[in-house]
Amino acid sequence: ELKVEQNPLFLSMQEGKNYTIYCNYSTTSDRLYWYRQDPGKSLESLFVLLSNGAVKQEGRLMASLDTKARLSTLHITAAVHDLSATYFCAVGGQTSGSRLTFGEGTQLTVNP
Amino acid sequence: NAGVTQTPKFRILKIGQSMTLQCTQDMNHNYMYWYRQDPGMGLKLIYYSVGAGITDKGEVPNGYNVSRSTTEDFPLRLELAAPSQTSVYFCASSIRQGAWVGNTIYFGEGSWLTVV
Repeated sequence: ELKVEQNPLFLSMQEGKNYTIYCNYSTTSDRLYWYRQDPGKSLESLFVLLSNGAVKQEGRLMASLDTKARLSTLHITAAVHDLSATYFCAVGGQTSGSRLTFGEGTQLTVNP
Repeated sequence: NAGVTQTPKFRILKIGQSMTLQCTQDMNHNYMYWYRQDPGMGLKLIYYSVGAGITDKGEVPNGYNVSRSTTEDFPLRLELAAPSQTSVYFCASSIRQGAWVGNTIYFGEGSWLTVV
């Protein structure tokens, strides 16, 4: 059974600081997704990572994937208040295709 | 572009009632999914479909049924609603072409269901 663990689950940070969210998963996978969710809203796709060593960046967010360590990271650079949201990683197993197993989410609050 | 459309957005059910959450997509996607999200948690897969006429159980299928008579529609039926089914329900779709599964999974806006 595929398990996905995120940490931290809650993150409060000051504007301008850097931080990293970690996503560990338990079995071999060939795809990893990062999503953002604002309160009461649907999921917004941020990144799709498909291969070992993949790195993608959009604005102040950068995601990377290490398939050997079964670890993905979401790095936040110089945080701003607009990044406050819940961030989910989700993993598709090699046999489950696009059926995703989600982590519990990291609730990020960026304080002025 | 409509994308994935879910109805209703909000619903309150009494224990034991039944209802259907509707989901339709206009992207000609062959894969469709239903997830539920409990407060403060990630999404869990209820059912999925790889094409019209084909459905299969996900992680948490008990208390639900689905059908897929067309490519566009994937309704989720709740029978004999229970308080444990109070949740937010998300429908999603994606495309698979040949050996490749489409990278982007599109989510609907969600349906907030409360069972009292």
